[in-house]
Amino acid sequence: GQQLNQSPQSMFIQEGEDVSMNCTSSSIFNTWLWYKQDPGEGPVLLIALYKAGELTSNGRLTAQFGITRKDSFLNISASIPSDVGIYFCAGFNSGGSNYKLTFGKGTLLTVNP
Amino acid sequence: GAGVSQSPRYKVAKRGQDVALRCDPISGHVSLFWYQQALGQGPEFLTYFQNEAQLDKSGLPSDRFFAERPEGSVSTLKIQRTQQEDSAVYLCASSSNLMTVNTGELFFGEGSRLTVL
Repeated sequence: GQQLNQSPQSMFIQEGEDVSMNCTSSSIFNTWLWYKQDPGEGPVLLIALYKAGELTSNGRLTAQFGITRKDSFLNISASIPSDVGIYFCAGFNSGGSNYKLTFGKGTLLTVNP
Repeated sequence: GAGVSQSPRYKVAKRGQDVALRCDPISGHVSLFWYQQALGQGPEFLTYFQNEAQLDKSGLPSDRFFAERPEGSVSTLKIQRTQQEDSAVYLCASSSNLMTVNTGELFFGEGSRLTVL
């Protein structure tokens, strides 16, 4: 099935550094979401974006919904060891009979203390 | 319960065996989803229930896959005559009502990891 293009695939950073990752799609979505998955766990929602151009923050996380509706980025500032995990973007078109999220392949983040 | 509960957490099956994976959604959650996550990939949609009604099963990869939610709470995903390509983590997610379904905000379980030998 379709998956979104996420980059980078993996990142190795030092504690305290800022991180940026992005996600692109060949098709338009009216909702973008960012989830985080820890090993052996299910994904957990971090941020949801519902409007093109929207910039939303959740603590040290900031995400933006691209103007074209085909992309989104996630920034993490001042990374800490517990930020380690896999970050997934997901696109969604609400309304009608569509219920499914389309996920990217994920960005694996490693933070060295 | 406090979260979405899935069992078994791990299942090893021989090729050709049937398996059943169970999902207990958050109490009162109307919407329930199954996703399949292959190694190194993001989750892929399998099917969606609203209460006991299966409204979308477009993601089920073959007729060997069958899901049910007879009383609108617990759901079972059954895979018949398992193949090696069925090896994956099967994630269940729930959502409290139609509003949160329309926002894409889902609560995922820990998943059931299926390995087919």
